[in-house]
Amino acid sequence: AQSVTQLDSQVPVFEEAPVELRCNYSSSVSVYLFWYVQYPNQGLQLLLKYLSGSTLVKGINGFEAEFNKSQTSFHLRKPSVHISDTAEYFCAVITGFQKLVFGTGTRLLVSP
Amino acid sequence: DAGVIQSPRHEVTEMGQEVTLRCKPISGHNSLFWYRQTMMRGLELLIYFNNNVPIDDSGMPEDRFSAKMPNASFSTLKIQPSEPRDSAVYFCASSSSIGELRTQYFGPGTRLLVL
Repeated sequence: AQSVTQLDSQVPVFEEAPVELRCNYSSSVSVYLFWYVQYPNQGLQLLLKYLSGSTLVKGINGFEAEFNKSQTSFHLRKPSVHISDTAEYFCAVITGFQKLVFGTGTRLLVSP
Repeated sequence: DAGVIQSPRHEVTEMGQEVTLRCKPISGHNSLFWYRQTMMRGLELLIYFNNNVPIDDSGMPEDRFSAKMPNASFSTLKIQPSEPRDSAVYFCASSSSIGELRTQYFGPGTRLLVL
């Protein structure tokens, strides 16, 4: 079965520093990968997705992710974070027809 | 364009009462998903519909939970009778089988508290 693992439950970082949130997937077939962000008391917002094509995917709010098939990873990066990026970030993979399977989430804490 | 609309946004009820959560998907989307989010279990898919037909309800916890999609623009998730362990945030999401294939867009969620 397809699944994703988010290795870090929480990532503290200072404002304007770079950040990487890690996601590894397991799949024996073609993969479709997503990153969603959830701000406090809000729904999930799509940050970016990899369906096919270029392995470097750019999303909203300055985030990007790289699909690495050999390392089965889809890490999320931002070169310079802001206080407003404080949120929970979820990596997800499509399995079967359209079922999204989510990781356990990584809480990004940006401090001044 | 309006996104996925859910109502109510918050619901507080007593154990044993019936709870009905509502969802309006994005216009033109033909797949609809119900998720539940808790601290203990994270985000779980409960059920999803394609063209108003339930495709997979293996995530529905038990018979107390039921979901319907009478038309392309409306779905309900009902819990009867409700129990304290049903307290969670319930999300609805929708997607299209054409255009942005496989991309699900989420509503703001319904925060349910069962006392």
